[in-house]
Amino acid sequence: GAVVSQHPSWVICKSGTSVKIECRSLDFQATTMFWYRQFPKQSLMLMATSNEGSKATYEQGVEKDKFLINHASLTLSTLTVTSAHPEDSSFYICSAPQAGRTSSYEQYFGPGTRLTVT
Amino acid sequence: GQNIDQPTEMTATEGAIVQINCTYQTSGFNGLFWYQQHAGEAPTFLSYNVLDGLEEKGRFSSFLSRSKGYSYLLLKELQMKDSASYLCAVNILTGGGNKLTFGTGTQLKVEL
Repeated sequence: GAVVSQHPSWVICKSGTSVKIECRSLDFQATTMFWYRQFPKQSLMLMATSNEGSKATYEQGVEKDKFLINHASLTLSTLTVTSAHPEDSSFYICSAPQAGRTSSYEQYFGPGTRLTVT
Repeated sequence: GQNIDQPTEMTATEGAIVQINCTYQTSGFNGLFWYQQHAGEAPTFLSYNVLDGLEEKGRFSSFLSRSKGYSYLLLKELQMKDSASYLCAVNILTGGGNKLTFGTGTQLKVEL
């Protein structure tokens, strides 16, 4: 099946610094990738849709200047959390859709990145 | 707006059957997914329904009624490893393409 990787799997940073998270589709090309955020014991919340070669589409309430998304190739999207603060501490998950066995819209999820801002 | 509801928590006994319900009110409905998520891990695909009816796959079955905005995930012969969060996600077709909106998730605890 399709594999999506994320790097790093966890990161601790100081308040005010920036952190970059990478999402890669390993065995397929993805013109679209999705970035989610998940707080403890809550569900996944879509932050933005990353589009290869064009600007990302952000969900309502998500600051595009704080969460910078770059989808430079068909296999890589990056999310940069700028000027991170403790409230940005969360589990960040990316996904990429690919035609699956049951649906053209099946999304394959990366393993997630645990961000802790101190 | 989009609204997807699931029970927050459920408890069941090993070997039993449990049904996890999901109700939704969305525009642009284009299918419904169920995912399983263990703590600290990514969601894994369980099932997909786009037409009304029951889809069976091993110990897991999923049902959809589009007219009622209702789905359920049925887990049979429960095992301890089934303790996890179960996420109902509606695929929504927008002007920008398809995207998933997740429900609140149901934390299932399987006990001896």
